Amino acid sequence: TQLLEQSPQFLSIQEGENLTVYCNSSSVFSSLQWYRQEPGEGPVLLVTVVTGGEVKKLKRLTFQFGDARKDSSLHITAAQPGDTGLYLCAGAQTGANNLFFGTGTRLTVIP
Amino acid sequence: NAGVTQTPKFRVLKTGQSMTLLCAQDMNHEYMYWYRQDPGMGLRLIHYSVGEGTTAKGEVPDGYNVSRLKKQNFLLGLESAAPSQTSVYFCASSYLWSGEAFFGQGTRLTVV
Repeated sequence: TQLLEQSPQFLSIQEGENLTVYCNSSSVFSSLQWYRQEPGEGPVLLVTVVTGGEVKKLKRLTFQFGDARKDSSLHITAAQPGDTGLYLCAGAQTGANNLFFGTGTRLTVIP
Repeated sequence: NAGVTQTPKFRVLKTGQSMTLLCAQDMNHEYMYWYRQDPGMGLRLIHYSVGEGTTAKGEVPDGYNVSRLKKQNFLLGLESAAPSQTSVYFCASSYLWSGEAFFGQGTRLTVV
């Protein structure tokens, strides 16, 4: 059973377009992290959101944590080829011993 | 400033062979983890450690063993490799158990 479902699984867009990636669950998380992973590398943390309804911006990337802390979204404005990669969300639960990773969204930005 | 280092980066094993994956971190982190990554499955936790001398099972521990004899090292062992263990393995460490995880570059293991 996958606690965190990401959609879409694959996304291919043209440079300059906007996109949104979703991370959904029926479970509540105390915090949620977003990572980006490039081919042949390990995931690298982009952001952590902690409060329900929280919005964080990282240049052209906007992250939002759902009010009920069960879901999150990542919006990219004016995508660039350098944004290409696998985006992973990961949730932490009080009392659990590890992060639960989502299934991932593989983004390709075509120049 | 190495961060998390995994060795080897690639390995091919025959069914039934054994091997050990090595992970070293230089950030003085208490928490260390071993994940496997398979297409469409995300990252799944195999084993983890909350400090030197401690280990615990994660989501998919069967067929694997681990040891944390030194704080900076976390070893993952496969005693009798099976084709189902073909995967990319990542080691990670963190200062807090739910804090930012720092990952190694991965080990691509193929069992034939």
